[in-house]
Amino acid sequence: DTGVSQDPRHKITKRGQNVTFRCDPISEHNRLYWYRQTLGQGPEFLTYFQNEAQLEKSRLLSDRFSAERPKGSFSTLEIQRTEQGDSAMYLCASSLPGTGLSEAFFGQGTRLTVV
Amino acid sequence: GQNIDQPTEMTATEGAIVQINCTYQTSGFNGLFWYQQHAGEAPTFLSYNVLDGLEEKGRFSSFLSRSKGYSYLLLKELQMKDSASYLCAVRNFNKFYFGSGTKLNVKP
Repeated sequence: DTGVSQDPRHKITKRGQNVTFRCDPISEHNRLYWYRQTLGQGPEFLTYFQNEAQLEKSRLLSDRFSAERPKGSFSTLEIQRTEQGDSAMYLCASSLPGTGLSEAFFGQGTRLTVV
Repeated sequence: GQNIDQPTEMTATEGAIVQINCTYQTSGFNGLFWYQQHAGEAPTFLSYNVLDGLEEKGRFSSFLSRSKGYSYLLLKELQMKDSASYLCAVRNFNKFYFGSGTKLNVKP
């Protein structure tokens, strides 16, 4: 396993278009997270899955954002009707269950630019 | 809410020691993590504290005081490749909350 992978690495889209990103976590990790990061800021929590169940979604996340993890493996994050404010790096991370040392491993991210 | 504070930027000299502080106020606590992030890259895990005290890992050490809501990351024998952002993160049950990161500039 080579770690968490995300696709695409870069996406440029016109305002109003829909975009979808994919994340493949480390295979034995049942927890999967989506974060958004803008320049000079730390990652901001968006949503979290345990297996296929989406357990929490940030209150900051508008209804234009939706995430799925249909078989408890890969996940997709869709943004509908993109806005310029959606431009950011979207990071996916996965971790093992438990509250001990189960750090989050991050993918390389998808950089979204909305023009 | 969750509040995690770090200095925005620090500068240090190659070969020196630098300490990056982090203070936090969170509704729950299941561990404090430090990540390194080079520009344009993903964060990578550096260290983890769940109990009070110092954890040493090569050139990197991390300290935690839960009663004070305080942690620091200590980097020794600084190298130019240590120039990066350092993120402090608190895990609250199943979620990780990050500070804004401290950009460390290492100068020759």
